[in-house]
Amino acid sequence: EIVLTQSPGTLSLSPGQRATLSCRASQSVSSSYLAWYQQKPGQAPRLLIYAASSRATGIPDRLSGSGSGTDFTLTISRLEPEDFAVYYCQQYGSSPPTFGQGTKVEIK
Amino acid sequence: QVQLVESGGGVVQPGRSLRLSCAASGFTFSSYGMHWVRQAPGKGLEWVAVIWYDGSNKDYADSVKGRFTISRDDSKKTLYLQMNSLRAEDTAVYYCARDWTPLTPLGTFDYWGQGTLVTVSS
Repeated sequence: EIVLTQSPGTLSLSPGQRATLSCRASQSVSSSYLAWYQQKPGQAPRLLIYAASSRATGIPDRLSGSGSGTDFTLTISRLEPEDFAVYYCQQYGSSPPTFGQGTKVEIK
Repeated sequence: QVQLVESGGGVVQPGRSLRLSCAASGFTFSSYGMHWVRQAPGKGLEWVAVIWYDGSNKDYADSVKGRFTISRDDSKKTLYLQMNSLRAEDTAVYYCARDWTPLTPLGTFDYWGQGTLVTVSS
């Protein structure tokens, strides 16, 4: 199975700053089938990005995804208070679908 | 609007069984593949199982293969997860999730339920 490694584990930033989250795959992700989710405490995950760079319904354009092959990035251009959460990448190009271990974006 | 509501969680002894349910509304249930995804306390997400929109195909994580069975009842718009021979390491919040694409599932999840907690402990 494809192993996804996210970095950093924790990102300490202030509102208004730019956040860059990385997701590296142990092998190439087919068709750029890479998604990003946000999870807040006590809540279910929410789909943010699919197919590496397409925003899901209702996701603001300050969030963007990029990458292909084995290296993917989620960028939040200007952090809003509601953006502080845990973010997971997930590949669905090969079975089984697998998740990264998560990156926590916390308020500095 | 799309809603997924899980039920059936609880505390169960190792080796026993439990069945989870997920009631769906707000979309054509019979047109979508459905998944179970779990999250151990304080840990990350783990995909558990998928069932095709028509029930013709099912797939499981190696960690649950042979012990868990996913099924669906389209007349009741309900997804199930039968969990047998439960182990301590199965302790988690179990989410049902809709596949993003209709018909053949791709394996990404656009709607999630609120989750139901399963605790396996003696």
